[in-house]
Amino acid sequence: GAVVSQHPSRVICKSGTSVKIECRSLDFQATTMFWYRQFPKQSLMLMATSNEGSKATYEQGVEKDKFLINHASLTLSTLTVTSAHPEDSSFYICSARQADNEQFFGPGTRLTVL
Amino acid sequence: QKEVEQNSGPLSVPEGAIASLNCTYSDRGSQSFFWYRQYSGKSPELIMFIYSNGDKEDGRFTAQLNKASQYVSLLIRDSQPSDSATYLCAVKEDSNYQLIWGAGTKLIIKP
Repeated sequence: GAVVSQHPSRVICKSGTSVKIECRSLDFQATTMFWYRQFPKQSLMLMATSNEGSKATYEQGVEKDKFLINHASLTLSTLTVTSAHPEDSSFYICSARQADNEQFFGPGTRLTVL
Repeated sequence: QKEVEQNSGPLSVPEGAIASLNCTYSDRGSQSFFWYRQYSGKSPELIMFIYSNGDKEDGRFTAQLNKASQYVSLLIRDSQPSDSATYLCAVKEDSNYQLIWGAGTKLIIKP
């Protein structure tokens, strides 16, 4: 159990476009989902915490108007990178939290902005 | 500032030996401790979690927790080349659902 999917797994886009990444918990309901970003050879960086039906809580330094998060249901959260630029190129990973504490990660989305 | 410290490595261990990965944390209020494994280019996967002082074993993996010393470790017995990865330690308070992450230790198992 505890499977989390992400879509797409890889995306290449032009500078200035917006990209939407979906995160789904497939076999459990996730009241909380997390969005992380990881640059090459660096550790995970938490971007925001998303609770179903409420506004996301963003970490310091993360622009909420640039990284739009929608947690519309107990199994789906989306991250939209608006007006993406090359410096936004990174590995974006979501995780979903079960009621008993563990976080389970999606496979990640590699974003390349040209 | 709540911190989780790990030696970045790389830690090189011969195949078949025991790999020992260590993690210290700053917040005495921490209650839950997690070890994740991350292969290059992949997302982290949960290996083990531990809540109580002492040892917890699962197959070749043993997690050890010492709350007095604020120290948690992961032992991997009979190390295999497929164990080569970055191991992330994460710590959680009971009152906060967020995890505080270490930077990870890169483990290399040499055949």
